[in-house]
Amino acid sequence: EVQLVESGGGLVQPGGSLRLSCAASGFTVSSNYMSWVRQAPGKGLEWVSVIYSGGSTYYADSVKGRFTISRHNSKNTLYLQMNSLRAEDTAVYYCARGMIAAAGSYYFDYWGQGTLVTVSS
Amino acid sequence: EIVLTQSPGTLSLSPGERATLSCRASQSVSSSYLAWYQQKPGQAPRLLIYGASSRATGIPDRFSGSGSGTDFTLTISRLEPEDFAVYYCQQYGSSPRGTFGQGTKVEIK
Repeated sequence: EVQLVESGGGLVQPGGSLRLSCAASGFTVSSNYMSWVRQAPGKGLEWVSVIYSGGSTYYADSVKGRFTISRHNSKNTLYLQMNSLRAEDTAVYYCARGMIAAAGSYYFDYWGQGTLVTVSS
Repeated sequence: EIVLTQSPGTLSLSPGERATLSCRASQSVSSSYLAWYQQKPGQAPRLLIYGASSRATGIPDRFSGSGSGTDFTLTISRLEPEDFAVYYCQQYGSSPRGTFGQGTKVEIK
């Protein structure tokens, strides 16, 4: 059974850092596209980042240069390192597995339950 | 970058009625790479439809997707109580950066 379990969210001050983790089971993270998607309170879904099975990474313009997506193959875990956090980064962060339709094209077939990040002083 | 516009913002219907949700793209979506997700309060999104019209595993056949190019539709043939939720479309053909619509809320009338 495929499962994704996020952790690492919490309250952080503006300018601070946080690292989110997403522990996967039932499949191999490194063989799949893996993404982070966030949802601000009462708002819609916003794609944040993806790491391809080959290791290429991409980011939304709103987080580029501040967030880093990575994975630990032996732990079968996905990460999101978030630096220079801003109030507008406040959201529930979901990790999601990307089902590959074609090279570079993917939709999300499994989602974690999400972890809340609150950026506030 | 392709922008997705969903309409209506809110759909007020009764159980048993038919729901028709629209997702319009600012440019043609290549290969009909469009997905639909359902999200209930406090829950993660759930994949319903991919490739514009293919149902995901375990999704009831009252959910159907159609469309191509710039106009896509999610239809729920007969609303069940558990179908009242927010629905998002996503295009995944144009770039590595996923794009979601703003969502349509289906609420009980």
